[in-house]
Amino acid sequence: RKEVEQDPGPFNVPEGATVAFNCTYSNSASQSFFWYRQDCRKEPKLLMSVYSSGNEDGRFTAQLNRASQYISLLIRDSKLSDSATYLCVVSYNTNAGKSTFGDGTTLTVKP
Amino acid sequence: DAGITQSPRHKVTETGTPVTLRCHQTENHRYMYWYRQDPGHGLRLIHYSYGVKDTDKGEVSDGYSVSRSKTEDFLLTLESATSSQTSVYFCAISEIGQRGRSTDTQYFGPGTRLTVL
Repeated sequence: RKEVEQDPGPFNVPEGATVAFNCTYSNSASQSFFWYRQDCRKEPKLLMSVYSSGNEDGRFTAQLNRASQYISLLIRDSKLSDSATYLCVVSYNTNAGKSTFGDGTTLTVKP
Repeated sequence: DAGITQSPRHKVTETGTPVTLRCHQTENHRYMYWYRQDPGHGLRLIHYSYGVKDTDKGEVSDGYSVSRSKTEDFLLTLESATSSQTSVYFCAISEIGQRGRSTDTQYFGPGTRLTVL
């Protein structure tokens, strides 16, 4: 079993749709959580950090459930430009900043 | 923009040849990382560095070595390239937090596409 697991998708949704991604992690000692976005043939870029209280950035909402060990990302009012792969990232050792990446969930938003 | 560049951006080489990839950063970050990304495996940590001449292995370090003689440069070397090392290689940095601890947020360079024939 992988330490960080995501549904690979692909998720194909129409513009304006709401879509949610989940990610589960196996190490209960995990300390930090993130969502990254990766466009085709590009580097991953930080989308948002995930906090226990939940956080929102415009159309994007991230949630953390420590008891169930999962992280979610909700995208409202999807845009064509949201098409990308979304990576769930979990950090276990803040001293070295090492992180474990999920394989990613692919989203395609269609007109 | 975290000021990270990687060179070369693309390379094709033959099995058995040595290859060195360079990561250069301009903002004096202490922590640097090398990852490879392959379909079905996501991003996997090869080696990382927590300071000049301070490096450690990641989960897929076999066949790779690293060096960091200056803060700004982190080199990844494939001593004798194999076809299984065909991949996209990303360098990343962590921002420095208080008391010298890294924050976990990582920022990536543009990547190097390596093909080993």
